[in-house]
Amino acid sequence: GNSVTQMEGPVTLSEEAFLTINCTYTATGYPSLFWYVQYPGEGLQLLLKATKADDKGSNKGFEATYRKETTSFHLEKGSVQVSDSAVYFCALIDSSASKIIFGSGTRLSIRP
Amino acid sequence: DAGITQSPRHKVTETGTPVTLRCHQTENHRYMYWYRQDPGHGLRLIHYSYGVKDTDKGEVSDGYSVSRSKTEDFLLTLESATSSQTSVYFCAIGEGAAGEKLFFGSGTQLSVL
Repeated sequence: GNSVTQMEGPVTLSEEAFLTINCTYTATGYPSLFWYVQYPGEGLQLLLKATKADDKGSNKGFEATYRKETTSFHLEKGSVQVSDSAVYFCALIDSSASKIIFGSGTRLSIRP
Repeated sequence: DAGITQSPRHKVTETGTPVTLRCHQTENHRYMYWYRQDPGHGLRLIHYSYGVKDTDKGEVSDGYSVSRSKTEDFLLTLESATSSQTSVYFCAIGEGAAGEKLFFGSGTQLSVL
């Protein structure tokens, strides 16, 4: 079946450091891929998405590129801020079933 | 805001009692979802709906049922709550042709003692 695997957390970085959170997926067909973010005490929010191979999603300084050859969708940011502290979820949608499958989440903490 | 409300926000109940969680949307979206969030498991899909009276099971549907008699309401019922169902429950509505862009409610913290 379809699945998403994320790197284990927590990830702790200093402010202005470079961020990478790894995500790989298993899916039949051509899923759309997403990154969602969950700030403390809140529900998830869509951060960015990509719908086909080689697409790059971007938002708020975050980027992720849909790599079909490596079945990956790694999240990157060049310079993180304390306000980026949150839990990040990689996800895919099985277009044949219209349901979104989430990874287990990666907690990110940024030190001032 | 996406116009999605969950109730109650917090609930404590005893093992064996029935519990119903409500999700209400004002956006008239076709797709609605119930997820549970647990440490180490991320978000797991319980049930989802793609229209009035059209529902389907997710990956962890055992012990749960849902109903969607109106577009705006999606109810999740635990027929006989167990301690393993202690969790944070999130409702989401899906925007887009396949419901692919999700907007989440604020969650319901359920404790089963």
